[in-house]
Amino acid sequence: DAGVIQSPRHEVTEMGQEVTLRCKPISGHNSLFWYRQTMMRGLELLIYFNNNVPIDDSGMPEDRFSAKMPNASFSTLKIQPSEPRDSAVYFCASRPMGTDTQYFGPGTRLTVL
Amino acid sequence: AQSVTQLDSQVPVFEEAPVELRCNYSSSVSVYLFWYVQYPNQGLQLLLKYLSGSTLVKGINGFEAEFNKSQTSFHLRKPSVHISDTAEYFCAVSSGGYQKVTFGTGTKLQVIP
Repeated sequence: DAGVIQSPRHEVTEMGQEVTLRCKPISGHNSLFWYRQTMMRGLELLIYFNNNVPIDDSGMPEDRFSAKMPNASFSTLKIQPSEPRDSAVYFCASRPMGTDTQYFGPGTRLTVL
Repeated sequence: AQSVTQLDSQVPVFEEAPVELRCNYSSSVSVYLFWYVQYPNQGLQLLLKYLSGSTLVKGINGFEAEFNKSQTSFHLRKPSVHISDTAEYFCAVSSGGYQKVTFGTGTKLQVIP
């Protein structure tokens, strides 16, 4: 099993540009989570999906952030326009039905200049 | 609402010494409790979890934790640490089912040779 796959692993962009982060959950898992990790705020849940449906997006900072899960094997987190304060490591995690264990991807380190 | 408090942001300990990382939780319903570990530049991985049953839970790498309902605690312990245990440790709480997991702010364990 390849685990949760995230791409890109590193992204450097300029303020105002659109950024798209990608996640492929573990096959068969039916829940997917997007987190943001910073030194100042720690690990924050942005949004999570069950069976491709967004359940709780209360952690999404503002309208510049959007997330989609068009099918069970793919999700995106988009930031448009990006700002320097969005610089962080973004993690995707998936969870199989019937368990409470989340499996994290390696993260995408985003730097907005 | 649920929350987790990790009072210690950093814990230095000498190699082969015992360690305890503290975690207190708050929840109005039954809880599931977790400890995750994050090694440098990696995603989080599950160390152990308490769902029900025995209050002493054993996890990977020789770690264990004890659920104490009266003190609302779930402290993580290891009798003898190794250099390779240097990492950040996150306590987390969930109400189960499709509910989201709330993570603590993390405790950085630094094992000193």
